[in-house]
Amino acid sequence: DIQMTQSPSTLSASVGDRVTITCRASQSISRWLAWYQQKPGKAPNLLISKASSLESGVPSRFSGSGSGTEFTLTISSLQPDDFATYYCQHYNSYSYTFGQGTKLEIK
Amino acid sequence: EVQLVESGGGLVQPGGSLRLSCAASGFTVSSNYMSWVRQAPGKGLEWVSVIYSGGSTYYADSVKGRFTISRHNSKNTLYLQMNSLRAEDTAVYYCARVDILTGSTFDYWGQGTLVTVSS
Repeated sequence: DIQMTQSPSTLSASVGDRVTITCRASQSISRWLAWYQQKPGKAPNLLISKASSLESGVPSRFSGSGSGTEFTLTISSLQPDDFATYYCQHYNSYSYTFGQGTKLEIK
Repeated sequence: EVQLVESGGGLVQPGGSLRLSCAASGFTVSSNYMSWVRQAPGKGLEWVSVIYSGGSTYYADSVKGRFTISRHNSKNTLYLQMNSLRAEDTAVYYCARVDILTGSTFDYWGQGTLVTVSS
């Protein structure tokens, strides 16, 4: 099974900061990587698919990159609404795997 | 507008059973791929099961043999039958639509329903 590992687990940042979250796969997954945002008590929301394709309605300050085993989610200028938990996710052979999550906190 | 509304959660004793429902609107369940994802209290997301438009079903190892995913086409509803429940099955259960173009991401989610397994 392919394992997905996110870092850091927790990230403290301020409004206006540029932040990057990393997701590493235990083996190459090409560009089959998605990112979700989840706020407390709410369902996750799909931000990015296929490593770098921004979903409709997602602000352009979010971007994704990477291929193979290393991927990043970047928020170019943090807004108050961005403080949440972020998950990466991969699909392979009829199975879906999430990273353990990165909690983005206000510094 | 796509909507997914889960129901059926609650408190159940270890070893018991529960059936979750997910009523869909704005699209046809049987023409899409549908999945269940759960989240234990304070923990991350865990994929549980998927049913493809052709009817094939797949499960996470943690629930294989105990959970069954199904759908009712005329009711446009997805189900998750959960048997032999364990304390570690305690979680919020979300139904989610899988993006049919790639089959790889969850593009719409319900609000979730809480299942608590405890004596």
